Amino acid sequence: QKEVEQDPGPLSVPEGAIVSLNCTYSNSAFQYFMWYRQYSRKGPELLMYTYSSGNKEDGRFTAQVDKSSKYISLFIRDSQPSDSATYLCAMRGTGGFKTIFGAGTRLFVKA
Amino acid sequence: GAGVSQSPSNKVTEKGKDVELRCDPISGHTALYWYRQRLGQGLEFLIYFQGNSAPDKSGLPSDRFSAERTGESVSTLTIQRTQQEDSAVYLCASSLVVQAEAFFGQGTRLTVV
Repeated sequence: QKEVEQDPGPLSVPEGAIVSLNCTYSNSAFQYFMWYRQYSRKGPELLMYTYSSGNKEDGRFTAQVDKSSKYISLFIRDSQPSDSATYLCAMRGTGGFKTIFGAGTRLFVKA
Repeated sequence: GAGVSQSPSNKVTEKGKDVELRCDPISGHTALYWYRQRLGQGLEFLIYFQGNSAPDKSGLPSDRFSAERTGESVSTLTIQRTQQEDSAVYLCASSLVVQAEAFFGQGTRLTVV
């Protein structure tokens, strides 16, 4: 079993839809949770960074962490074609340096 | 520089040849990370540097892989006697300190033929 599971998609939605991206994990030591966006042939860029459980909102993006269920989510409101990319979840423990990444979900937002 | 720079952007090499991949981190960033990303897969951690030291090399896939960092700046990842399964995008990232936000370069796409 992988430490981090993420549905690779692809996920196709119409412009303006609410997108929900999810990851599950098995290591209860993970405390820091990240979401990265990766455009084709580019390096990943950090979108959201959260510590422990709870919600964090930044513009159209909301990250949720439920440590009791070992489940994290990224919501994108009013999705735009420019949101079309691969979204990677990532996480690590306190004091750790090794960040574990999910496989990434490919998202297509159709105009 | 303004961001993490990797060179070359693309590299095609023959099986059995050695390759060197270069990473220029953001100036002042003490931590530097190498990842490998195979097609359709997530990022696989290879090695990280704190300054010029690599405390954990356990992610390197085999003894054909090595990395060094000098002057708390440039890092090179060397793959000896390349194999076709080494074909992947090799990503470098740096952060101000370990556990701070990591910024990625655009990657080196390695193809072994």
